[in-house]
Amino acid sequence: GAVVSQHPSWVICKSGTSVKIECRSLDFQATTMFWYRQFPKQSLMLMATSNEGSKATYEQGVEKDKFLINHASLTLSTLTVTSAHPEDSSFYICSARGQGATKAFFGQGTRLTVV
Amino acid sequence: SQQGEEDPQALSIQEGENATMNCSYKTSINNLQWYRQNSGRGLVHLILIRSNEREKHSGRLRVTLDTSKKSSSLLITASRAADTASYFCATDVGDMRFGAGTRLTVKP
Repeated sequence: GAVVSQHPSWVICKSGTSVKIECRSLDFQATTMFWYRQFPKQSLMLMATSNEGSKATYEQGVEKDKFLINHASLTLSTLTVTSAHPEDSSFYICSARGQGATKAFFGQGTRLTVV
Repeated sequence: SQQGEEDPQALSIQEGENATMNCSYKTSINNLQWYRQNSGRGLVHLILIRSNEREKHSGRLRVTLDTSKKSSSLLITASRAADTASYFCATDVGDMRFGAGTRLTVKP
């Protein structure tokens, strides 16, 4: 199957700093990318959907100014957690889907810890 | 927001037994997919069933879909300790939304 690479796999940052997470589709063009957040022992919650070249569509309750999503190319989307706080500590997972494709492919996830 | 609910939330069985997990959803779907997640790790795609399919098999996995009841089930036969993980259904409605998940524990 197609490969989606997410980087970094884990990051620890200080409260108030910003963190950028990258999601790359390695062998296909990802016209749509999805970002999810998962708290311990909970399910994946969709944060936003981004289409290449367009502004991301955020789910209700997700602050767009705090979670900046950029999908400037067909192989790369980034999620920047701005002014991170301890409550932003979570597991963030991206997925990517090609034009007209049925399946989306998931990255390995990024564990963010804000101290 | 999440699309569906899964039950049970947690399931503990002995190795060799079958495990059945159920998923219900709320809206019309293009397809439904099942994923596995080991603790703290990424997702492993198990099986996809399209909205016009009723049953699908893959190895020890059997998935059913009842679009009239908006529900799906995942059956794992002859379970192994290595099947211990969380299992999620995800509905494809343009974007993908996950159910709450079932935490399966298979005791050796």
